[in-house]
Amino acid sequence: DSGVTQTPKHLITATGQRVTLRCSPRSGDLSVYWYQQSLDQGLQFLIQYYNGEERAKGNILERFSAQQFPDLHSELNLSSLELGDSALYFCASSVGQGPSTEAFFGQGTRLTVV
Amino acid sequence: AQSVTQLGSHVSVSEGALVLLRCNYSSSVPPYLFWYVQYPNQGLQLLLKYTTGATLVKGINGFEAEFKKSETSFHLTKPSAHMSDAAEYFCAVISGNTPLVFGKGTRLSVIA
Repeated sequence: DSGVTQTPKHLITATGQRVTLRCSPRSGDLSVYWYQQSLDQGLQFLIQYYNGEERAKGNILERFSAQQFPDLHSELNLSSLELGDSALYFCASSVGQGPSTEAFFGQGTRLTVV
Repeated sequence: AQSVTQLGSHVSVSEGALVLLRCNYSSSVPPYLFWYVQYPNQGLQLLLKYTTGATLVKGINGFEAEFKKSETSFHLTKPSAHMSDAAEYFCAVISGNTPLVFGKGTRLSVIA
């Protein structure tokens, strides 16, 4: 158990809908990262937050947004869902934001868009 | 921009044989390099990492990797494969202040 909790574990929804994925980082971790894992694209970095502020942005679509709350949990919002958004979404957390800081990954949320 | 190339999307070895998973990276600044393992229906777990110092890095479960700057490589090895090593392995790089950039992954199968 990495200490990073993601809910829900599985989500099935229809095209055009909106969903929210939740991540609770390890106790004491200030950084949260979101990744998307799909068969064709592999693991793609979406966005990073550090202590409530956005710190880095990757290949995140405009239909997607995220935030980190004062209690440090984070939510990833996916809207106007398309079939191609079906993927495994991982959250990771780390104490700091430096390059040598180890990131701990949650078990992911499997999103299926039908 | 940094990138990672993992040679071979699928590697199959016999139990007890050497495991060699290849990773080459591209980075304009000195990189930090990582190997993660993903078991079915689970998240990623850190196997080992190279930051600075000794170029031969030992990790968990008997794995090790060697950073070779001249070859821009960070191959993962284990002397003797075990059935429990069957999983997906990801090489990743950080350079500068960017977050982890992952390779496409290599699926390791271990044959009894």
